[in-house]
Amino acid sequence: AQRVTQPEKLLSVFKGAPVELKCNYSYSGSPELFWYVQYSRQRLQLLLRHISRESIKGFTADLNKGETSFHLKKPFAQEEDSAMYYCALIGGTSYGKLTFGQGTILTVHP
Amino acid sequence: DAGVIQSPRHEVTEMGQEVTLRCKPISGHNSLFWYRQTMMRGLELLIYFNNNVPIDDSGMPEDRFSAKMPNASFSTLKIQPSEPRDSAVYFCASSRRLAGEDGELFFGEGSRLTVL
Repeated sequence: AQRVTQPEKLLSVFKGAPVELKCNYSYSGSPELFWYVQYSRQRLQLLLRHISRESIKGFTADLNKGETSFHLKKPFAQEEDSAMYYCALIGGTSYGKLTFGQGTILTVHP
Repeated sequence: DAGVIQSPRHEVTEMGQEVTLRCKPISGHNSLFWYRQTMMRGLELLIYFNNNVPIDDSGMPEDRFSAKMPNASFSTLKIQPSEPRDSAVYFCASSRRLAGEDGELFFGEGSRLTVL
């Protein structure tokens, strides 16, 4: 079975502070990991995928297979980063079944 | 393209009533997903289709829930009879590649259901 855990439902930081949204997963094979974001009044959308190894809007995420984690990080948070963030996983034989975590609401205060 | 289109955007109904949620995926996408979002559980996959065929419905909570995809451009999620615990936001999403294997799903704006 595949499972994604985001331990923090709410996370608050001040503008300019570093932010880390935690994500742990459970899967016996080699998963593909993703971060999705939902800004206020907007649709849920893909933020980044681990295979791309890219930085999007200043966010990066590194897959740590030893710790089964895929934490999302940004060195200097901005107010416009306030949103709901979901970590998601696809297992190898699940035909693209995307399993989401419970989500973390990030609030960046001015 | 207008993206994934869901209707209704908001639905308030009384316990015991039938609820039908509708979804139009992006043209050319061959996989369609129904998710339910609640504060307690986050996003839960209810069912997904590939080329109009249901692939995995293990997330459908009870027999009260059913979903159909009669053609490539339309899907419905039906709850009969509805109960207060079904109150949630229901999202439809579609993907262009086989069952979303690249991980990118395109979501609709959601249907917020309130069952009194």
